[in-house]
Amino acid sequence: EVVLTQSPGTLSLSPGKRATLSCRASQSVSSRYLAWYQQKPGQAPRLLIYGTSNRATGIPDRFSGSGSGTDFTLTISRLEPEDFAVYYCQHYDDSRTFGQGTKVEIE
Amino acid sequence: EVQLLESGGGLVQPGGSLRLSCIASGFTFNSFAMSWVRQAPGKGLEWVTSITYNGGDTWHADSVKGRFTTSRDNSKKTLYVQMNSLSAEDTAVYYCVKGSSVSRPYYFDHWGQGTLVTVST
Repeated sequence: EVVLTQSPGTLSLSPGKRATLSCRASQSVSSRYLAWYQQKPGQAPRLLIYGTSNRATGIPDRFSGSGSGTDFTLTISRLEPEDFAVYYCQHYDDSRTFGQGTKVEIE
Repeated sequence: EVQLLESGGGLVQPGGSLRLSCIASGFTFNSFAMSWVRQAPGKGLEWVTSITYNGGDTWHADSVKGRFTTSRDNSKKTLYVQMNSLSAEDTAVYYCVKGSSVSRPYYFDHWGQGTLVTVST
């Protein structure tokens, strides 16, 4: 079973800064099956990115995804106040494994 | 607009049972796989179970295998999970989730607001 490890656990940044979130898989996975979700406090998660780099409907272009093999990245080019949340990566092939999450908080 | 409305959560004693339901609207329910994902208080997301578009196949996480049963009624546009032999470790918000296609692999493109299950004396 693939294990996804996200880093850092918490990212403290100011609005307007660039955020780079990492998701590392325990073995090489297909980039076709890597997704990112955003969860704000008290809300359900929301799909951001699928297939490593495809933005879901309605997701602003300041969110981008990249990577291959075992290393994947979610980048938020300029943080808006509404972007402070927890982000999860997921490998949605057989195991549907989620990473443990990265919290992006206001510095 | 896709809507997923969960119900059936609540307080249950250890060893007890509960059935969660999820009524779907805004999409062709019988054309998509569906899943349940849970989140224990203050913890991350855990995939629990999935079912194909026609209910022909189901998958369960090892943590619930043999205790949870997933089903769907496409005529009612409703997803179910029957949860038996519940323990404190099953305490979580349970989200009903729509898959992006009829069967694996699929990402989770729409989520319900969740229903809280609390297992306690």
